[in-house]
Amino acid sequence: DAKTTQPTSMDCAEGRAANLPCNHSTISGNEYVYWYRQIHSQGPQYIIHGLKNNETNEMASLIITEDRKSSTLILPHATLRDTAVYYCIASIAGSNDYKLSFGAGTTVTVRA
Amino acid sequence: DTAVSQTPKYLVTQMGNDKSIKCEQNLGHDTMYWYKQDSKKFLKIMFSYNNKELIINETVPNRFSPKSPDKAHLNLHINSLELGDSAVYFCASSRWTSSYEQYFGPGTRLTVT
Repeated sequence: DAKTTQPTSMDCAEGRAANLPCNHSTISGNEYVYWYRQIHSQGPQYIIHGLKNNETNEMASLIITEDRKSSTLILPHATLRDTAVYYCIASIAGSNDYKLSFGAGTTVTVRA
Repeated sequence: DTAVSQTPKYLVTQMGNDKSIKCEQNLGHDTMYWYKQDSKKFLKIMFSYNNKELIINETVPNRFSPKSPDKAHLNLHINSLELGDSAVYFCASSRWTSSYEQYFGPGTRLTVT
């Protein structure tokens, strides 16, 4: 799996968009970018994933650069409940031994 | 309804004891996992099972033995507990082995004294 690099922490204001960057410069052509988050003392929660195209769902948007070496997770209107550790993961899907390898993630604190 | 449940939520025990953590999912998924999150908060996969068959075993000591009586349950039995086993253990499930989305349980905090 490609290594991903994320900032250790970031703050954002409640109601504003939160843009979380992730670098994955060694990502291979068949590796997807996944985002999970872990709210304090809870299990991780899937947010979104993508391969090449930008993706949007009810939780967030994922913007992947054309060269696929980096991506940005966007929380459009951050709330206090979005305070969590956010993990960016690059992994091959579609195989029996597909697995998620979590790094240190970005600790996001949403402030009122 | 809880999708992935684990029992117990907290487990405190002494070194050398044997303990089990139970996991159940009511999502109808074929694949289940065990992860370990250590004190530095790194989350690492330990095992995955697909339809009761072991798929992934990530170089976990033999003292850890997963058991899947049916595809809705994946229990983790730990023999001869050591201080280093103290961690939060998360169970997860997915529709099949290559599913993009994994659903995690609430975790079991194991403390070995």
